[in-house]
Amino acid sequence: EVQLVESGGGLVQPGGSLRLSCAASGFTFRSYNMNWVRQAPGKGLEWVSYISSSGSTIYYADSVKGRFTISRDNAKNSVYLQMNSLRAEDTAVYYCARDGYSSILFDYWGQGTLVTVSS
Amino acid sequence: DIVLTQTPLSLSVTPGQPASISCKSSQSLLHSDGKTYLYWYLQKPGQPPQLLMYEVSNRFSGVPDRFSGSGSGTDFTLKISRVEAEDVGVYYCMHRVQVPRTFGQGTKVEIK
Repeated sequence: EVQLVESGGGLVQPGGSLRLSCAASGFTFRSYNMNWVRQAPGKGLEWVSYISSSGSTIYYADSVKGRFTISRDNAKNSVYLQMNSLRAEDTAVYYCARDGYSSILFDYWGQGTLVTVSS
Repeated sequence: DIVLTQTPLSLSVTPGQPASISCKSSQSLLHSDGKTYLYWYLQKPGQPPQLLMYEVSNRFSGVPDRFSGSGSGTDFTLKISRVEAEDVGVYYCMHRVQVPRTFGQGTKVEIK
């Protein structure tokens, strides 16, 4: 069974940092591209970042470019999101989502981890 | 960035009746490879989103055949032939023609 489990969320002050982790199981992690998607409280979905299976290709939303860094460790079946210079508008549930084979995108999602940026 | 506009933003449906959600794109979602990369997701209350449809009209594994997708270019539609209680939630369209992938605002479906 495919499982994605996020961790690392919490309360942080504006300007602070957090590192989110997503632990994957139930599939050959190194073969799949991965993403982070966020959802502010009561709002819609926003794609945040993408990393290819090998880690060689990375994309970011403009809203986080220069502040967030996505990475992965295929030996540990995990993908990470380092978030620096956090702002109130980064407050959201952060989901880890897998891209499936071919053009099937976001076929599996984790349950999410809440990040709250507030003083 | 490509803007996806969904209508309506909310829908109240009697069980057994059909429902339809529109998703209009600010640019064509026809990729140079000939495929149209339009997706539909459903986020049930308290849950992460789940994939319903990919490439406009392909149902993802396990999705009931009462769901269907259609459209081309910039205009797309998700149809539910007979709404059931388990279909409540917020429906989102999304594209992947270019970076960034963007979502529509969401359409909330409720049962009357």
